[in-house]
Amino acid sequence: QVQLQESGPGLVNPSETLSLTCTVSGGSINSHYWSWIRQSPGKGLEWIGYIYYTGSSDYNPSLKSRVTMSLDTSKNQFSLRLSAVTAADTAVYYCARDLKGATCYDYWGQGTLVTVSS
Amino acid sequence: EIVLTQSQGTLSLSPGERATLSCRASQWVSSNNFAWYQQKPGQAPRLLIYGASNRATGIPDRFSVSGSGTDFTLTISRLEPEDFAVYYCQQYSTSPYTFGQGTKLEIK
Repeated sequence: QVQLQESGPGLVNPSETLSLTCTVSGGSINSHYWSWIRQSPGKGLEWIGYIYYTGSSDYNPSLKSRVTMSLDTSKNQFSLRLSAVTAADTAVYYCARDLKGATCYDYWGQGTLVTVSS
Repeated sequence: EIVLTQSQGTLSLSPGERATLSCRASQWVSSNNFAWYQQKPGQAPRLLIYGASNRATGIPDRFSVSGSGTDFTLTISRLEPEDFAVYYCQQYSTSPYTFGQGTKLEIK
């Protein structure tokens, strides 16, 4: 059974960088696309972007200038960095696995709340 | 960006009834690139149906979908107590991939 678990700080100062890691167990990261999605009361579910084990990626244009995703295949992890955060970036952040052949998500992490505040 | 509108903010129904949830896209979307999710409080969304009519693993056949182009429907044929939740549609036809704002299905 594939499981995903997000980890990272729950509180980030405005203008700083949000960093989250997703650890995948029960399956290899060397297949499928791996995504980050966030959910806030104001904006609902928002796709942030995905990364493939080859390193190719695609990001939401609304966040592209601030987002970087990476993978560590040796640790079966992938990561999200979002720079210059503001209160509008406060949300529950989910990592998820793309279904093969489709950019929808069959496995999700439990989600982690990140609050941007000083 | 394709905007998905779920016009029924809240739907109040009773167990045993049929639920019809709608989702309208601002541009044409292939039914092969459309998905529905269920989310319960404190949980991540759960994939229900993707593609034209593929149910995800473990999803009972009382869940079905129809529609194409800009109008899509999720139907739950006979509501069970565990079906009361929030439902989201998603398109993955065109990046950025987008979600509807959700329809809350509540017990009447």
